[in-house]
Amino acid sequence: EVQLVESGGGLVQPGGSLRLSCAASGFIVSGRYMNWVRQAPGKGLEWVSVIYSGGSTYYVDSVTGRFTISRDNSKNTLFLQMNNLRPEDTAVYYCAAPKTGDAFDYWGQGTLVTVSS
Amino acid sequence: ELVLTQSPATLSLSPGERATLSCRASQKISSYLAWYQQKPGQAPRLLIYDSSKRATGIPARFSGSGSGTDFTLTISSLEPEDFAVYYCHQRSNWVFTFGPGTKVDFK
Repeated sequence: EVQLVESGGGLVQPGGSLRLSCAASGFIVSGRYMNWVRQAPGKGLEWVSVIYSGGSTYYVDSVTGRFTISRDNSKNTLFLQMNNLRPEDTAVYYCAAPKTGDAFDYWGQGTLVTVSS
Repeated sequence: ELVLTQSPATLSLSPGERATLSCRASQKISSYLAWYQQKPGQAPRLLIYDSSKRATGIPARFSGSGSGTDFTLTISSLEPEDFAVYYCHQRSNWVFTFGPGTKVDFK
């Protein structure tokens, strides 16, 4: 059974940093592309970042230069390092992955990040 | 930059009625469009991928169609558990985009 479990969310002040983790089981993280998707309170889904199996990474414009996606193959875990956080980064952050193709079959339960003074 | 637009923003219907949700892309895209359902407090659930293929375990009342720039999600007869928010989703080049969502609520 595939499972994604996020952790690392919490309350942080503007300008602060946070590192999210997504532990995967039931499949190999390095064998497919992995994503972070966020949802601000009461808002829609926003794709944030992807890391492809070959290691290429991409980001939504609003986080480029501040967020870094990575993975640890030995731990089968995905990460999102978030620096210089802003109030508008407040959201539930989900990791998501495909079974095959261009759709996200698998989602974690989400972890809440709150950026506030 | 690819933009996905969904209409209507809200669809007010009764159980048993047919729901037709639209997703329009700002440029011609492949058929690799997906649809998700999200209920309050839950992660999204994949319903449709590759524009018209149902994901594992999705009931046959959900169907998808379309190509180019115009795509449709149809729920043939709404069940009480179908009242939720629906998002379309697509990959363009190496990045992904979600539509703003359509909320299906009780009339």
